[in-house]
Amino acid sequence: ILNVEQSPQSLHVQEGDSTNFTCSFPSSNFYALHWYRWETAKSPEALFVMTLNGDEKKKGRISATLNTKEGYSYLYIKGSQPEDSATYLCAFLGGNTGKLIFGQGTTLQVKP
Amino acid sequence: DGGITQSPKYLFRKEGQNVTLSCEQNLNHDAMYWYRQDPGQGLRLIYYSQIVNDFQKGDIAEGYSVSREKKESFPLTVTSAQKNPTAFYLCASSMSTALAEQYFGPGTRLTVT
Repeated sequence: ILNVEQSPQSLHVQEGDSTNFTCSFPSSNFYALHWYRWETAKSPEALFVMTLNGDEKKKGRISATLNTKEGYSYLYIKGSQPEDSATYLCAFLGGNTGKLIFGQGTTLQVKP
Repeated sequence: DGGITQSPKYLFRKEGQNVTLSCEQNLNHDAMYWYRQDPGQGLRLIYYSQIVNDFQKGDIAEGYSVSREKKESFPLTVTSAQKNPTAFYLCASSMSTALAEQYFGPGTRLTVT
């Protein structure tokens, strides 16, 4: 079974801090890397789908980078706000199977 | 209002009973998925279906069964053969392409005692 690792497991920051976390995935047979945000009591929502090595995507204060050769992606949040508090999931798609393999998530808590 | 619904939100069953979890979507998505979440673990794929009347096993299919008779619906049955059925179950759907983002339902928390 392919392994997708996220670090850190949890993170506590103050409002206004910038933060980042990592998703590591197999570097072979890469097809895509998904990022999702999962707020408490809500459903996971897609942030980004990334496919190309060197890809950078941005949505408001959240951005992500992708390195398929070494098998990692970073998610950055600039100027964290309490509403950014959520669990951030990455998911690896290896080959055109439609099967995502999820990491265990990074839980972010932003204190006002 | 387009979306994906799961019912019920909470479900309690006695050990040895089969139970069916509902998942419906009106997004006109071809692909549907069932995931299981346990504490401290990522979402694990149980079954998925890329088209009506076809489905494939995911990584943890043992003790589960599905059907895909309609595009909108992908019910999951947790059978008595599933050794640790107590978990949070999430259903998702996506466009047919493997690159498409997945849309998730609100989940069903199943407790078996």
